[in-house]
Amino acid sequence: AQKVTQAQTEISVVEKEDVTLDCVYETRDTTYYLFWYKQPPSGELVFLIRRNSFDEQNEISGRYSWNFQKSTSSFNFTITASQVVDSAVYFCALSEAGTGNQFYFGTGTSLTVIP
Amino acid sequence: KAGVTQTPRYLIKTRGQQVTLSCSPISGHRSVSWYQQTPGQGLQFLFEYFSETQRNKGNFPGRFSGRQFSNSRSEMNVSTLELGDSALYLCASSLVPMGSLGRTGDTQYFGPGTRLTVL
Repeated sequence: AQKVTQAQTEISVVEKEDVTLDCVYETRDTTYYLFWYKQPPSGELVFLIRRNSFDEQNEISGRYSWNFQKSTSSFNFTITASQVVDSAVYFCALSEAGTGNQFYFGTGTSLTVIP
Repeated sequence: KAGVTQTPRYLIKTRGQQVTLSCSPISGHRSVSWYQQTPGQGLQFLFEYFSETQRNKGNFPGRFSGRQFSNSRSEMNVSTLELGDSALYLCASSLVPMGSLGRTGDTQYFGPGTRLTVL
C-alpha cells in the first residue's frame, strides 16, 4: 500500500492563481514526520517544510502555506499568487519514528504555472 | 558553505558493466543517504550511511552497494548493470541520522544527482 499518496499527477494554473497540492499519508505510528520537497527542472531537490505529528498548527511562509490535518491524514500545500518560478515537481514525504529507517515519498505533483 | 556535490553528473554505461557514483556531503554532515529516481518508480530509498556504518537499506538487490569513508564522503556501486538501472541517483546529507530527522529540526540537503544511462 502506498504510504504517501499524491493523487494529482499534473496541475496547470495561470500565474497569480492560488493552487493546492494534496498529500494523504498512511501510518500506524503516533510519532511521524511529514515533509514537502520541491524539484525544479534543474533536478535538485529542495527542502520546503517539515512537520511532526504532534504539531497540527498550520504554517505560512510567504506565499506558501501548509494545512496539516491528522483526522484526515492529510498534509496539503498551498501556493498563493503562483509565479512561473513555482513550476516544479513537488513531493510529499513521510518518515515514521517507529521504523526510523527511511523516507516514503509520494509520486509527486508536477505543477506548471503559465505566464 | 558548499552544498552536497555528486560526481559524475552524467554517466553512460552498457549492460553488465559496473559503476561507482560519488557523493560529498556538506562539511560536518555525517549522514549520507542515496535515492533512485525513475519515471516509473518515482523516488526510492537505497541506503543510508552514518559514520561509516550502513544504518538502513531499502528494497534493492545486492547489486546495489555502498560505503562511506572517514571524511563522510560516500560511494555507491552498482554491479552487473541492467537497463532498468537507468535513473537519476540522488544523494542527501544531514547532520543527524535519518531516524533523527524531524525530531532535531534538522533536514536533508540534496545534491544535484548523477544521471545514469544504461544502454
